[in-house]
Amino acid sequence: DGGITQSPKYLFRKEGQNVTLSCEQNLNHDAMYWYRQDPGQGLRLIYYSQIVNDFQKGDIAEGYSVSREKKESFPLTVTSAQKNPTAFYLCASSTGLREKLFFGSGTQLSVL
Amino acid sequence: GNSVTQMEGPVTLSEEAFLTINCTYTATGYPSLFWYVQYPGEGLQLLLKATKADDKGSNKGFEATYRKETTSFHLEKGSVQVSDSAVYFCALSSWGAQKLVFGQGTRLTINP
Repeated sequence: DGGITQSPKYLFRKEGQNVTLSCEQNLNHDAMYWYRQDPGQGLRLIYYSQIVNDFQKGDIAEGYSVSREKKESFPLTVTSAQKNPTAFYLCASSTGLREKLFFGSGTQLSVL
Repeated sequence: GNSVTQMEGPVTLSEEAFLTINCTYTATGYPSLFWYVQYPGEGLQLLLKATKADDKGSNKGFEATYRKETTSFHLEKGSVQVSDSAVYFCALSSWGAQKLVFGQGTRLTINP
């Protein structure tokens, strides 16, 4: 079945450590996104990519980095510069920037 | 800029009650409007959408009508079930914005 796979489901980060969240899709979608979800605040866009080897900052990109070397993969790195990383991270994809989004099941990141 | 405002939650209802979750928006041009649903521990799923004024989106007994005159897209269901317990997000996309904008989400709990 086609879909989006995020891993791991739970992740713990130590102080000063970079961690990478994986997102893979087999839907053949061009566009991919990373959102951060905090309780009561809805979803905030971190980064998005319209096509391989291209990506743009969203509303809260500071402290995060991404790459898009393959169409099916869009990993997110939470760097040590992100001082408040505890949140639920959602990856999504779509056929285009204004089309229906398909979401993964999310990664819960916590700080030790 | 574009924005979405949802009624604050949480909302708690008894089974078979009538549901309304209010959503209003601010946008330039003619946006497309969406309702997404998030079940516990999962990513978001598209529930319904409408792409032009007076369109009615419907799915699984839920309905929402695109009202341009009141800039609203309220979600309704005539008889809710325990399985409808989830967080509901209203969202919009518009030309030039290049991304979806989400409301803050409304947590719905249905008691037997």
